[in-house]
Parts: sequence; structure tokens; C-alpha cells
Amino acid sequence: AAGVIQSPRHLIKEKRETATLKCYPIPRHDTVYWYQQGPGQDPQFLISFYEKMQSDKGSIPDRFSAQQFSDYHSELNMSSLELGDSALYFCASSPRDRGRRYGYTFGSGTRLTVV
Amino acid sequence: GQSLEQPSEVTAVEGAIVQINCTYQTSGFYGLSWYQQHDGGAPTFLSYNALDGLEETGRFSSFLSRSDSYGYLLLQELQMKDSASYFCALYRDDKIIFGKGTRLHILP
Repeated sequence: AAGVIQSPRHLIKEKRETATLKCYPIPRHDTVYWYQQGPGQDPQFLISFYEKMQSDKGSIPDRFSAQQFSDYHSELNMSSLELGDSALYFCASSPRDRGRRYGYTFGSGTRLTVV
Repeated sequence: GQSLEQPSEVTAVEGAIVQINCTYQTSGFYGLSWYQQHDGGAPTFLSYNALDGLEETGRFSSFLSRSDSYGYLLLQELQMKDSASYFCALYRDDKIIFGKGTRLHILP
């Protein structure tokens, strides 16, 4: 079965650089979520999209932006990177009407290291 | 706001039963879920409780009591592969909010 695809798997950037993370949800999943997980921490909700429109927003820094495209893939853009942005970034998808009962499907994540 | 409390670590023996508790404070939510995450891996959905009571899925069961603001995950016939972190998570608005996670150590 198709899973949530994230790219790249690993990314190393220098401070003040920009990074773009990509997410390809499971086909027919209309909702995409982005989470950030620091070492030893719980996943923190960043932002979600339903049918290409932003549906909810969490603790996402102003330096970050995201969007969902017509093919439902999503991109998380991160600018002016800081050392504290180093984390695992997960994308998850679900069908909106079944997401609670059957859970979100998470991608393998992008490990971002800022040096 | 909302917060979820779980023990940071739990240790159990292979073949035994272990219960991971979760208490929460929130002004409203749809339901309580549990996710498993192995080191370096992605969170994986285990169970969902929308209503009070017990939900069973194979070796895993989850319980919710809204009146007590409490839930738990019960793992039976523990296997070494169950060594992982377990997160309780609230569905609120259009997202899930994770607890801090419980690291389960399994001894042979």
C-alpha cells in the first residue's frame, strides 16, 4: 500500500539558510499535517491543510510557511534557519472524515540538522 | 489549552502485561488516541477512543473515561518489539495534540 512520502530524508543546512521539505500524501487523503519533533520530545503540531486550504495552525514560527498544491502534495518552507530548528519533521495525511477513527499516517520524516 | 500527562518511562517483562496511563486537562476534544514510535521512526496509530470504555485491537486495548479525564493503553503478551515510545494524543479542532510520551522498556 502507498504510504506518505517525504523528501529529503536528511538535510543539513547552515544557520540563516533556507530549507524546503516536501510531502506526498497517500492518494485520496485530503488532509495533510506537519509536525516537528525535537530529540526526546513529543511531536509538535505546526500546520494542517484540507483541500489545499490551511485548516489549522499551531506553534509554527513566522519564518516558516507551508502550502498544499493542486496535486495535494505539500511543502514546508523554512527560512533564516536557527540551530534550534534542528529536528525531525513529520508529515502525516488522513481522509478528513476518517482521520480520527483510523488515525493519521505519518511519513518517515525529514531529519533537519542546522549547523 | 490542553495538556496530557504520562509517565516518562515504564519497564516490564517479556510476556507480561503493562498499562500506560494518560491524564489530561482540556476544555474539549473529540477523542483520545494512542501512537507508537520506535527510535528514529514515524509515529504509528494504535487505537482511538471517542466514547468512554474499552477498545480492543489484538494485544492492545485502550480505555477512556471522560468524567475522570483519564485514559490508558494496555499491552498484553509483551514482545521485545514492543519496546518503543507510546504517546497518548487528543483530537482537538483539526489536529492531534501529543502527550510527552512514555518510553517502554521490556526485559527478557
